[in-house]
Formats: sequence, structure tokens, C-alpha cells
Amino acid sequence: EDQVTQSPEALRLQEGESSSLNCSYTVSGLRGLFWYRQDPGKGPEFLFTLYSAGEEKEKERLKATLTKKESFLHITAPKPEDSATYLCAVALDGGFQKLVFGTGTRLLVSP
Amino acid sequence: DAGVIQSPRHEVTEMGQEVTLRCKPISGHDYLFWYRQTMMRGLELLIYFNNNVPIDDSGMPEDRFSAKMPNASFSTLKIQPSEPRDSAVYFCASSFGDPGGTEAFFGQGTRLTVV
Repeated sequence: EDQVTQSPEALRLQEGESSSLNCSYTVSGLRGLFWYRQDPGKGPEFLFTLYSAGEEKEKERLKATLTKKESFLHITAPKPEDSATYLCAVALDGGFQKLVFGTGTRLLVSP
Repeated sequence: DAGVIQSPRHEVTEMGQEVTLRCKPISGHDYLFWYRQTMMRGLELLIYFNNNVPIDDSGMPEDRFSAKMPNASFSTLKIQPSEPRDSAVYFCASSFGDPGGTEAFFGQGTRLTVV
């Protein structure tokens, strides 16, 4: 069964304290891996798509990387406004439309 | 554009009642998705449409759930009869083309509580 697991479930950081979130997957055929950010009471907001092992993408304080079994979302010198739930999802063989989501990592950055 | 618009934002209903959730996608988008989010199972794809045609409804939990897209600017998700286990946040999303590289835009969601 295709599965996406995110860890940790929750993470508390001090402002400026860098860390990484993990997304591991066991799927039959990966076409792409997505990262989304979700604020309380809102829908997910797209961050990145990664297609192949070794690929990296950056946006402000965030950097996403991909290996054959997992993806990391590195947060460098986070600020309180980075507090949110971060979701990863995988697109499987057959099309990018069917995304399998992990349950997310809740990040809280304290000033 | 105002983004994906869902209504209502909150819905409380009694078990056995019919519930209809509504979605207006972003103009020009040709894919529309309905998702359900719970603490236990996370975000799950229920059904998606391409050019108003249902493509895959394998995520619809059972026959009590149905979805329609009568035109490019409107879709509904109906639950009849509703049950307490249907309580969740339901999201609608839309995208242009195959969202492999392009992003899916999500609405604010409808929080459904069935008592």
C-alpha cells in the first residue's frame, strides 16, 4: 500500500533555530513530491514540487530536497511567521492528479 | 481573482440530514478536486473532475456521497444521509492543466459537524 509518513508530528523551535522536517514514502511509482503549507482555518498553500532524487528547491528560508525514499524540508533561521502545518504529498504513476498526503508536521516558532 | 470559493464555511447538521457543500473554482482552471481532512487520516482525495467530467471517484467513501460539476464555475458535494463519522473539513481545489508542475489552489474549506 502506498504510504506517506511525516515526522515529527510536532516541532517547537526558537526563532533562528534551524531544523528539518522529514517526509518518507513507500510508493510503487513516484512521479513527484509536493510540499504544502497550511495555516489554521485555511486551505493548503503550495510550496514546492520535486520530481527526481537529488533535486533541490529553495524559497526564502525553506529548502526542499528529495532522495529515493524521503524528502526533507529544511528551515533556516525560522521566524514566528513560519509557524504552520507543513504537508507533503506524493503523486503516483498514472498522473499527478491523485496526491497521497501525509498527516503533516505542526511547526511552532517562538520569538 | 478571489481564489477558490467554498460555502458554507461551517455547517452543523443532524444525523440523517442531507448536506450540500458548494465550490466555485478559479476562472480558467480545468481541474477541480474535492478533499476531506481529518486528524486521523489527514487530507484525502475524494473525487476530481477535468473539464466538468468526473475522472476518478475512487476516494468517495460510499454511496451516500455524490459530486457534480454542472458547469466550469460550480461544483457540489452532497452527503445523504449524513452520519457523525462524516464530520471533517472538506476542501475544494482547482488547477490549470495537469498539476504536475503547476500548483493546485485550495479553498478555505467547509467544516462539517454532524451531531
